[in-house]
Formats: sequence, C-alpha cells, structure tokens
Amino acid sequence: SYVLTQPPSVSVAPGQTARITCGGNNIGSKSVHWYQQKPGQAPVLVVYDDSDRPSGIPERFSGSNSGNTATLTISRVEAGDEADYYCQVWDSSSDRGVFGGGTKLTVL
Amino acid sequence: EVQLVESGGGLVKPGGSLRLSCAASGFTFSSYSMNWVRQAPGKGLEWVSSISSSSSYIYYADSVKGRFTISRDNAKNSLYLQMNSLRAEDTAVYYCARARLQGRSDYWGQGTLVTVSS
Repeated sequence: SYVLTQPPSVSVAPGQTARITCGGNNIGSKSVHWYQQKPGQAPVLVVYDDSDRPSGIPERFSGSNSGNTATLTISRVEAGDEADYYCQVWDSSSDRGVFGGGTKLTVL
Repeated sequence: EVQLVESGGGLVKPGGSLRLSCAASGFTFSSYSMNWVRQAPGKGLEWVSSISSSSSYIYYADSVKGRFTISRDNAKNSLYLQMNSLRAEDTAVYYCARARLQGRSDYWGQGTLVTVSS
C-alpha cells in the first residue's frame, strides 16, 4: 500500500516561513492535497492539486510537488496557523485514499 | 452554504453494530461523490470509504472492508455508514466529507464519536 511520510513536528517563529514535507514514492506523479486541523475542529482543505488554494485560504499558503516530496509552505506565519497539517493523495493503483501521519506546527 | 451533519455515533460493545448518517445541504448532493474519514483519539486522519454520486463506485480501506458498508440516498440528501463487527480499534470520530476530483475532501462535517468498549 502507498505510504505518505510527514515529520511529526515543525516549529517556526512568527513572521518566518514554515515548510512541511510529505514524502512518498514518486509522489510527484500524484495530486497532493493539504488539510489544516485545529484542536477540536474538523479538518479544513488549504491546498489541493499540489498548489491550488480554495477560496478563502490566504495566499500565504502554497504548495509544490516533485519527485518523492511534496511541500506545504506557509509564509509569514501567524499564531493562528498553529495546527496539525495532513497531506493526502488518492492512490489510483489500489483505489484507496491515503493520509500522511500529520505534522504539528508550533509557532514559537 | 454547504453543510454536513453527522449523527448516529455512540457507545457500542465489541462485535456490535452502528449506523452513521450524514445529512447534506447547500449543494446538489446527487452530483458529488462522498467520503468517510475517521480519527482515533489523539491520532491522525484515516480514510475509510468513498462512494460515487450514483453509487456505481464504492471503495473501502482494508481495515474496514467486509465489516463496513457505505451507501447513500440521493432523494434524502443523505450518506450512511453501516458498521458491523465493531472492534476497539474502530473507536474514532467519524467525519463525512464532500469529495472532489483526485479524492480531495473540500467540505467536512463536525464529526460523530464512535466508542467501541465493553
């Protein structure tokens, strides 16, 4: 089965740039989606199809995907960005949805 | 406004059954595929099942295949998850979500908690 690997935690100071990676075998050939989840809340889609943003999501959130790594980049990080972030793909070879293990973003 | 409201969660004994429902509003339900995603306490997200708009295509995670059944009633704008032979490891918050291309979930409900315990 397809596996997505994320770092458990990332820390960044306010105003700096946070980068959260998602590793998978030839993930660059897949469409990667990213979700933000704050404590006690449902996940929110923040980036889809590698680099597109849903309406209402700040431009500070961006994504890229190439080779074996996809990256969610959050520029000018704010305290309100502190949350868990999950990457996700659809594995068409097995017809299964796959989530990464999640990354806790801490704003110092 | 898109709204998804799950119901049917609760406490059930191992080996028992439960049926979750998800009431959809604010969009043309019959035009969209739907997903169930769960999250065990303190753990990450796990995709559970997907169903196409006309129920022609149905997919399950290996962890629930043969025990869970996803279904929908487009006339009632409702999505269901019938859960049988429940195990302790099925304890989780279950979310329904609207599915888009490439499996992404663009709108989520608030979730319903299922606890499997004796």
